[in-house]
Amino acid sequence: QQQVKQSPQSLIVQKGGISIINCAYENTAFDYFPWYQQFPGKGPALLIAIRPDVSEKKEGRFTISFNKSAKQFSLHIMDSQPGDSATYFCAARFGNTGKLIFGQGTTLQVKP
Amino acid sequence: GAGVSQTPSNKVTEKGKYVELRCDPISGHTALYWYRQSLGQGPEFLIYFQGTGAADDSGLPNDRFFAVRPEGSVSTLKIQRTERGDSAVYLCASSPSGTGAYNEQFFGPGTRLTVL
Repeated sequence: QQQVKQSPQSLIVQKGGISIINCAYENTAFDYFPWYQQFPGKGPALLIAIRPDVSEKKEGRFTISFNKSAKQFSLHIMDSQPGDSATYFCAARFGNTGKLIFGQGTTLQVKP
Repeated sequence: GAGVSQTPSNKVTEKGKYVELRCDPISGHTALYWYRQSLGQGPEFLIYFQGTGAADDSGLPNDRFFAVRPEGSVSTLKIQRTERGDSAVYLCASSPSGTGAYNEQFFGPGTRLTVL
């Protein structure tokens, strides 16, 4: 019940294309759903996050779509750039402690 | 400091040895988290401190792992009798208060632990 399942494991997109990463969860105790970006040798950095009472959030080229009834959420990266090449993790937070449960990660490669 | 810092950046040790990993959180952040990231996996929660106390240690894999935060700032993760399976990147994160108001967790660069 604590799992967050993420797909695909890897993704190759052409420059200017749309990258889509999907996540699903089971536990209704989660109260916050962030996406993290991680470059090799670095710690994860928050990219964008959403509350479960919101269906969509957009920040620049990054959009989260959230489907509470289906317990699914996704990250869309519009106009993907080579600099977006990184590993992306979805996560879900337990509100009582703040601890994050992470998905398995998606390695994105954007080809020039 | 400007961000979360962790020392050492790399630690190589032999099976059975004791290691300590240090985390310096962002000044003023009361919440501190330790996670472990194995190769090709997402970070896994280990322990959460609110101030000086461990509020949730449900992620510690066994009693060889222990963490302290005596003054509510710097934290040390201690691993006794290390095993090869302990090899991973150990990440520390801090946030202003942990719960409520969707506090962002800021991650350090991690300590890469290799047990030979």
